[in-house]
Amino acid sequence: DQQVKQNSPSLSVQEGRISILNCDYTNSMFDYFLWYKKYPAEGPTFLISISSIKDKNEDGRFTVFLNKSAKHLSLHIVPSQPGDSAVYFCAANNYGGSQGNLIFGKGTKLSVKP
Amino acid sequence: DTAVSQTPKYLVTQMGNDKSIKCEQNLGHDTMYWYKQDSKKFLKIMFSYNNKELIINETVPNRFSPKSPDKAHLNLHINSLELGDSAVYFCASSPDRARGEKLFFGSGTQLSVL
Repeated sequence: DQQVKQNSPSLSVQEGRISILNCDYTNSMFDYFLWYKKYPAEGPTFLISISSIKDKNEDGRFTVFLNKSAKHLSLHIVPSQPGDSAVYFCAANNYGGSQGNLIFGKGTKLSVKP
Repeated sequence: DTAVSQTPKYLVTQMGNDKSIKCEQNLGHDTMYWYKQDSKKFLKIMFSYNNKELIINETVPNRFSPKSPDKAHLNLHINSLELGDSAVYFCASSPDRARGEKLFFGSGTQLSVL
């Protein structure tokens, strides 16, 4: 039972354009969402987060949008750079079970072409 | 100065063997975790320790036994390895278990059971 879904396994974008990565969730108890970025042979690193009381959070080139009614969030990267090429994981906090337990999606591999 | 370090990076072993993966964090965090990334690329929590105390044990077989000698270390011992144990195992830490607390991951240990 996938509580956090990233339905696009990969995305290819031209340098300088916008990258939009999508994430859907099913558990309405989730109230905190995070995006992690992962390069090959490295562990995931935290990128940006959003609380369910907000609908937008921005940090430099990265913006996360949350639509609670649709149980959907998205990560926008503008402008995209070749160094952004990585796998992006969406994650959500699950407080129905174990506190502090992050539920991850399967990831979306972003390729930014020069 | 690696914040979360785990060893070994690669581990190839035969079915039935016992192996250990070590993890250390120098961030002064109170909480440490083990995550497993399986062949379907999901990152799933296995264990969580807070100040050397087991907090989360997510339906992991008894063959997996975490050990936390102090709050900076969380080792994973696996008995009687099976083919299905092949995966990438990530250690992580966080300052505490508060809602939305971001995790700091190690670079992963790729375990291959032959």
